[in-house]
Amino acid sequence: DSGVTQTPKHLITATGQRVTLRCSPRSGDLSVYWYQQSLDQGLQFLIQYYNGEERAKGNILERFSAQQFPDLHSELNLSSLELGDSALYFCASSVVGGETDTQYFGPGTRLTVL
Amino acid sequence: DQQVKQNSPSLSVQEGRISILNCDYTNSMFDYFLWYKKYPAEGPTFLISISSIKDKNEDGRFTVFLNKSAKHLSLHIVPSQPGDSAVYFCAASASQGGSEKLVFGKGTKLTVNP
Repeated sequence: DSGVTQTPKHLITATGQRVTLRCSPRSGDLSVYWYQQSLDQGLQFLIQYYNGEERAKGNILERFSAQQFPDLHSELNLSSLELGDSALYFCASSVVGGETDTQYFGPGTRLTVL
Repeated sequence: DQQVKQNSPSLSVQEGRISILNCDYTNSMFDYFLWYKKYPAEGPTFLISISSIKDKNEDGRFTVFLNKSAKHLSLHIVPSQPGDSAVYFCAASASQGGSEKLVFGKGTKLTVNP
């Protein structure tokens, strides 16, 4: 158990809908990262937050947005969903987000868009 | 353009023998490298890391070797155990640029046969 929690574990929805994925970092961790793992793909970095502020952005679609709240939990919002958005979405956290900081991953949310 | 490549999708070894997982990278700005292990239905678990100032890092049965001139790293597991059967991801990050995002390879599925 990494200490990072993600809800829900599974999510099934239809195209065009909007969903929210939630992540609670390890106690004491200030940085949160979101990654997407599609079929046969490695994990693709989406976005990083540090202490409530956006710190780095990857190949995150404009239909996707995220935020980190004062209690440090984070939410990833996916809107206008398409079939291709079906994937595993992982959240990770680290202490301060330094370049040699180990990122600890949650169990992931499996999103299925029908 | 894949910046981190794991060219072997799978590897099968006998229990007690050495497992060698390979990873190549193209971005010369990468200076921190990590290996993660992933079991089905779980998030990636940090295994071992190495900074570019080193060429070897050891932790128990796990050793990571870095060859900067060849832009190549490898993970050695000795002796291999059936519980090591999992997907192994190589990841890299660059300390310059202020981003701590990890760039992952697509993974190598290791099977250790009893």
